[in-house]
Amino acid sequence: EAGVAQSPRYKIIEKRQSVAFWCNPISGHATLYWYQQILGQGPKLLIQFQNNGVVDDSQLPKDRFSAERLKGVDSTLKIQPAKLEDSAVYLCASSPGATDTQYFGPGTRLTVL
Amino acid sequence: SQKIEQNSEALNIQEGKTATLTCNYTNYSPAYLQWYRQDPGRGPVFLLLIRENEKEKRKERLKVTFDTTLKQSLFHITASQPADSATYLCALSNDYKLSFGAGTTVTVRA
Repeated sequence: EAGVAQSPRYKIIEKRQSVAFWCNPISGHATLYWYQQILGQGPKLLIQFQNNGVVDDSQLPKDRFSAERLKGVDSTLKIQPAKLEDSAVYLCASSPGATDTQYFGPGTRLTVL
Repeated sequence: SQKIEQNSEALNIQEGKTATLTCNYTNYSPAYLQWYRQDPGRGPVFLLLIRENEKEKRKERLKVTFDTTLKQSLFHITASQPADSATYLCALSNDYKLSFGAGTTVTVRA
């Protein structure tokens, strides 16, 4: 079974630029998550989708971050404009249902200069 | 506010010994607790789940305990091997949402 795919793996941008990350979850998984992991910290949930509807985006900085999940499959997370403190690894995870074990992708390491 | 604390110090142990990691939490009543392993440059990988009504869970060389009175979980790696070197994260949930600790880095010396 193929795992969760993410791209790009690495991204370096200047502050105030915009950036987008892509995630392809495991086939058939209804629930998709985006996490932010700052160096030395655990992952922090940014947004959770159930199919193509948002379940929780309470920790998503909505003034600069946006996410969508088209047709309940792939998802993109966008940051516009980026700040220095957005430097982190952005992890995508999926699960069959909202209370099932989560499967993580390799992450995208973002560096904002 | 909710707080999840794991061993603040990295753990260095000799091969063959048992590694014991601690996860303490406050202002939280989780229905279950999970442990994940994370290698450098990779996403977390699920290891074990233990529910609030379970005291202990085992999987091969791994053992997890969950004490809801002490608000603590212990994670043991017995007969440790260099391949066990990684960061281990605990995560708590009482609904659909997982809250992660910062992790404990374990290094097993050959």
